This record gives sequence, structure tokens and C-alpha cells, in this order.
Amino acid sequence: ETAVFQTPNYHVTQVGNEVSFNCKQTLGHDTMYWYKQDSKKLLKIMFSYNNKQLIVNETVPRRFSPQSSDKAHLNLRIKSVEPEDSAVYLCASRNWGGAYEQYFGPGTRLTVL
Amino acid sequence: SQWGEENLQALSIQEGEDVTMNCSYKTYTTVVHWYRQDSGRGPALIILIRSNEREKRSGRLRATLDTSSQSSSLSITAAQCEDTAVYFCATDPSSSFSKLVFGQGTSLSVVP
Repeated sequence: ETAVFQTPNYHVTQVGNEVSFNCKQTLGHDTMYWYKQDSKKLLKIMFSYNNKQLIVNETVPRRFSPQSSDKAHLNLRIKSVEPEDSAVYLCASRNWGGAYEQYFGPGTRLTVL
Repeated sequence: SQWGEENLQALSIQEGEDVTMNCSYKTYTTVVHWYRQDSGRGPALIILIRSNEREKRSGRLRATLDTSSQSSSLSITAAQCEDTAVYFCATDPSSSFSKLVFGQGTSLSVVP
């Protein structure tokens, strides 16, 4: 049963537009992540938040900005999207200091025309 | 990169066959995760092996870890069509549990 929810499922937009993706987890976890999965299925970490605090910020373009209102929510905003931003964006969560497992949402597929 | 190769590998086998997928990593890790990803879904953990374990079993799955060569493998015994998925290995190179670094993945197709 899904416990990490992502909206929207997919989004198609034009170059230069702004988009926002939402993620909510109902597992009571305190750490959340954003990953980017490209067309070759390669998964790369983008951001990690622990208790609303940014703890990992990989080298991603500045047009990407994560937003956390509480430990159950982690959103991702992309200002002025580029064609290379077309990908699946996956949200995940886990308990810091607890079990190693990360729980993933179903992803948001972004297509930039 | 944390991993030796960046390209998705593809394997196709017949139902009932055994299959082994391999990963090698460059940076020390305390644990290797193996995830599977079904089409249209996020990855899900299927087995995890710690650095003090050489082998771990779960049903038809068997994971091995060789810390001296920094490599891990995942074997599936008597594969079934429902094993069709993309399989990833992942490590936490910082050992701080702050993130996972995923390998390139293996797309496994099990045909009847």
C-alpha cells in the first residue's frame, strides 16, 4: 500500500515555465528525499531533508528549490524549466537513525517541450 | 562516479532459470541495498546486506557482498514472470544515512 504520495503523476510544460511537485508521506518518517531518474533509469539524489532542515544538496541547477513545510511534506519547485529537466522525479522517506530502508513514491514524470 | 558503469543493462531469461546481477562500487559502505522498480512505480527495497555479512537470503533472492573487491551480487532462483523489473544496487558512501547512491540498474525481463 502506497505511503508516499506524489502529485501530479505527470506534467507536460514548455521551456521557461515554472512547475511544482508535491510529496507527502504518512509513515511518520523524519527524513525525506528528492531523486531524479533519467531516461536511462539512472537515479540520482538531489536533496535530503531531516526534520524540515536541508541536509543534502547535491549539485543541481539553482532553478531547483525544495520546500518543506513539515516533516511529512517535501515539495520541489523548478523555475524556468529546461529540456534536460525532463525526467521522473521520485520522492522518498525514511527514519533518521532507524532502519536503512527508503520508501519511494510512484514518481512525477516531467516532460519539457 | 560511485559506480563503474552508468548504462542500464538488460537481461532476458526464460521462466524457471536462475539469474545473477552484479554491482561494483568505489567508495566504502556499511551496507548495500538492492531495490526493484516495477514499471510506473518507485523503487522498493527487496534485500539489504551489511558489510559484516557475506551472504543474505530472502525467499528466492540471494545477495552477496565482497568488501575486499567492493562488489555485490543479487541472484534470483527459478525466476518467474513477475520478477520482471529493473533492479538497482545502492550504497550510502557517507555512512551517514543521508542519501543513497544508486548503481546503473539492470532491466530484467522474464519470459514464459
